[in-house]
Amino acid sequence: DAGITQSPRHKVTETGTPVTLRCHQTENHRYMYWYRQDPGHGLRLIHYSYGVKDTDKGEVSDGYSVSRSKTEDFLLTLESATSSQTSVYFCAISTGTSGQSDTQYFGPGTRLTVL
Amino acid sequence: DAKTTQPTSMDCAEGRAANLPCNHSTISGNEYVYWYRQIHSQGPQYIIHGLKNNETNEMASLIITEDRKSSTLILPHATLRDTAVYYCTPGNNAGNMLTFGGGTRLMVKP
Repeated sequence: DAGITQSPRHKVTETGTPVTLRCHQTENHRYMYWYRQDPGHGLRLIHYSYGVKDTDKGEVSDGYSVSRSKTEDFLLTLESATSSQTSVYFCAISTGTSGQSDTQYFGPGTRLTVL
Repeated sequence: DAKTTQPTSMDCAEGRAANLPCNHSTISGNEYVYWYRQIHSQGPQYIIHGLKNNETNEMASLIITEDRKSSTLILPHATLRDTAVYYCTPGNNAGNMLTFGGGTRLMVKP
């Protein structure tokens, strides 16, 4: 499982409240990713990071921000949660480096419900 | 972007080989084919990947056609614990997102 943990594992919140999800890895991999998974949409990339303080947007980044102040932690923040952000969120790390094949390993997921 | 097509569902008898096909006719020359699976409520689990040659590891074998337009994941002796949704997806360098489509729901039956 590449030493990936996510917290919380389940969260219920109300529309308009801020929410922060945490991804923690123990193996100092450079690349980290946040995906969301919804029925009918498969897995979609929200943001990713290629190093401390280096992040970039993915396919569905609107309404989300990320931060990576140290190698092992990648935080996903919903500044003002909406019902459309109800989803299962997966963090992933990559064992590859630029120019090599990219095998990603996923965390256990966070199930977020926005009421 | 390369797109993949997989059957929606398949059944397999326990102990038999499960052969899961994937069409990826628009895959780029530098893109690998990755296979993952997802057991209910868990995170996707990496299985295997390949570029041109056939690959085998402790979990599965991957057969890629010579034109690279399709591949087949083979679970040689399926068990009940192999019941999951299986995804094939193109991918290349680190920093590139994986895109999972609908996948194939494999049901292994006793």
